[in-house]
Amino acid sequence: GAGVSQSPSNKVTEKGKDVELRCDPISGHTALYWYRQSLGQGLEFLIYFQGNSAPDKSGLPSDRFSAERTGGSVSTLTIQRTQQEDSAVYLCASSLRTATTGNTIYFGEGSWLTVV
Amino acid sequence: DAKTTQPPSMDCAEGRAANLPCNHSTISGNEYVYWYRQIHSQGPQYIIHGLKNNETNEMASLIITEDRKSSTLILPHATLRDTAVYYCIVRPLDDYKLSFGAGTTVTVRA
Repeated sequence: GAGVSQSPSNKVTEKGKDVELRCDPISGHTALYWYRQSLGQGLEFLIYFQGNSAPDKSGLPSDRFSAERTGGSVSTLTIQRTQQEDSAVYLCASSLRTATTGNTIYFGEGSWLTVV
Repeated sequence: DAKTTQPPSMDCAEGRAANLPCNHSTISGNEYVYWYRQIHSQGPQYIIHGLKNNETNEMASLIITEDRKSSTLILPHATLRDTAVYYCIVRPLDDYKLSFGAGTTVTVRA
């Protein structure tokens, strides 16, 4: 597609429920990233996928968070047993990761998660 | 990684050029200057980036000083839709753990 597509755009869930957030990166982009942006907080890196390499999960805040990327394209971020502190905007991004490009990271519009 | 310093806010008249400064005095030789903006309730939008040469695209121009310790983003003809928080970051090409500072809140007034 023309840009990074995320769904749902807004999600309200009850504490303790599981949620899945979906990301469709820019066509042809091999790298996919998830970030989180909380109100009053900065941008927080969560996880990075590059091709068939093992993902960098170093930013995931707890084992309730997981992500997968199927077929090297679409990715799903799953949050189990949601807590109120999980309320945030979850941003997916992608880039065309080569040594000669600027490796510019393009963001989607985000999935706004509210845990009540 | 290098830090950046930006003014917290600035106003701009519609139709005029907006010049957004950024200081990055500790930038390393392999770090690029990137600008993003975030309009309220939207995801960050890439604007422009550069290493040491001035750059221009359909959105903006980027002027980087010769010593690379500071840069200026220029929006040539600001519109009301340019009202946003503008973030200046410096990063090596292979760094993906982005972090945005407070940025500059730009308000374009009619």
